[in-house]
Amino acid sequence: DAKTTQPNSMESNEEEPVHLPCNHSTISGTDYIHWYRQLPSQGPEYVIHGLTSNVNNRMASLAIAEDRKSSTLILHRATLRDAAVYYCILRGWGSNDYKLSFGAGTTVTVRA
Amino acid sequence: NAGVTQTPKFRVLKTGQSMTLLCAQDMNHEYMYWYRQDPGMGLRLIHYSVGEGTTAKGEVPDGYNVSRLKKQNFLLGLESAAPSQTSVYFCASSIPDQRTEAFFGQGTRLTVV
Repeated sequence: DAKTTQPNSMESNEEEPVHLPCNHSTISGTDYIHWYRQLPSQGPEYVIHGLTSNVNNRMASLAIAEDRKSSTLILHRATLRDAAVYYCILRGWGSNDYKLSFGAGTTVTVRA
Repeated sequence: NAGVTQTPKFRVLKTGQSMTLLCAQDMNHEYMYWYRQDPGMGLRLIHYSVGEGTTAKGEVPDGYNVSRLKKQNFLLGLESAAPSQTSVYFCASSIPDQRTEAFFGQGTRLTVV
């Protein structure tokens, strides 16, 4: 499985943007970049995913580098409810790659 | 839709006891997964299933067995519980398409004393 590297932790002030980096230098051409987050005492929940182009949804934006070896999850205005562990995961094609492999993720702390 | 439902939510076992965790999904998903999460760590895959009647080992399968007799259910069994199996267990389901999201249950907190 292709691996990802994320910082252990990041802090932000409420209502400020948060940029969460992820390195995935061994990404293959068919791997999609997925982001999940896990709020305290809950199961992971989907945030966003992309292949090559930048993506936006109601929760966040995903900026993907042109060479696809890195990406950045952007929370435009952090709220206290965004405090969570954020996981960057590569999801490939084929029965062995559909499963999600979780690293330690980035713990985001939001200060009021 | 209920999504992914795990039963029970909490359980305390004595060493050597057995139990079965139930995961049910109502989204007609082919793929189902069982993970465990220890304090301060990410999720680790125990077993997964790519369809009814099929199962496969993940990263940490030892001490666990699974069964997928019906498409909507994925059972995780502990035959002889050990304190090292104290953890939070998450079930997930998805379709076989890397462009789509996986859905997770709320977890089962298991303590083995």
